[in-house]
Amino acid sequence: GAVVSQHPSWVICKSGTSVKIECRSLDFQATTMFWYRQFPKQSLMLMATSNEGSKATYEQGVEKDKFLINHASLTLSTLTVTSAHPEDSSFYICSASPLGPAYEQYFGPGTRLTVT
Amino acid sequence: QKEVEQDPGPLSVPEGAIVSLNCTYSNSAFQYFMWYRQYSRKGPELLMYTYSSGNKEDGRFTAQVDKSSKYISLFIRDSQPSDSATYLCAMREYSSASKIIFGSGTRLSIRP
Repeated sequence: GAVVSQHPSWVICKSGTSVKIECRSLDFQATTMFWYRQFPKQSLMLMATSNEGSKATYEQGVEKDKFLINHASLTLSTLTVTSAHPEDSSFYICSASPLGPAYEQYFGPGTRLTVT
Repeated sequence: QKEVEQDPGPLSVPEGAIVSLNCTYSNSAFQYFMWYRQYSRKGPELLMYTYSSGNKEDGRFTAQVDKSSKYISLFIRDSQPSDSATYLCAMREYSSASKIIFGSGTRLSIRP
């Protein structure tokens, strides 16, 4: 149980275009989903927290207009990287917490974004 | 000073050895402590979680929390090559609204 999927697993896009990444909880409902960014050999950096049906809460330094997050249902959250630049190239990972205590987060497999 | 400190390694040990991974932290309000395993180019997988101080054992894995010293450990017994991965410690405060703070991860390699 507690499976989280991400799609796509990797994507290459051109500078200036937008990319959407989906995060789904497959066997549980997630009131809260999290988006992280991870650079090579570094830890996970929380970008934003999204709650179903409400606006996402962004961490300091994360541009909300560039990283659009939508949490439309209890099983789906999307991250859209708008007007992507090469410096946005990274590994993006989502996680989800089931209803109840939020101390367990289940992570998706990640999406590798390369902007050329 | 980072809230959570973790030696990045790499740590290389022979198969069958006991592995000890550690983290220190500065925030005394942390109550939940977790260990994640992350294989290359994959998302982290929750291995262990503990609440407050004490030990927790699950198969070959044992997690220890010493809140008085602000120090947590993960022990792996009878280590296997398949245990080769990056191990991330993580922790958060009691409130369910608080975010998880991750360590930088320790790269572990088990030599056959």
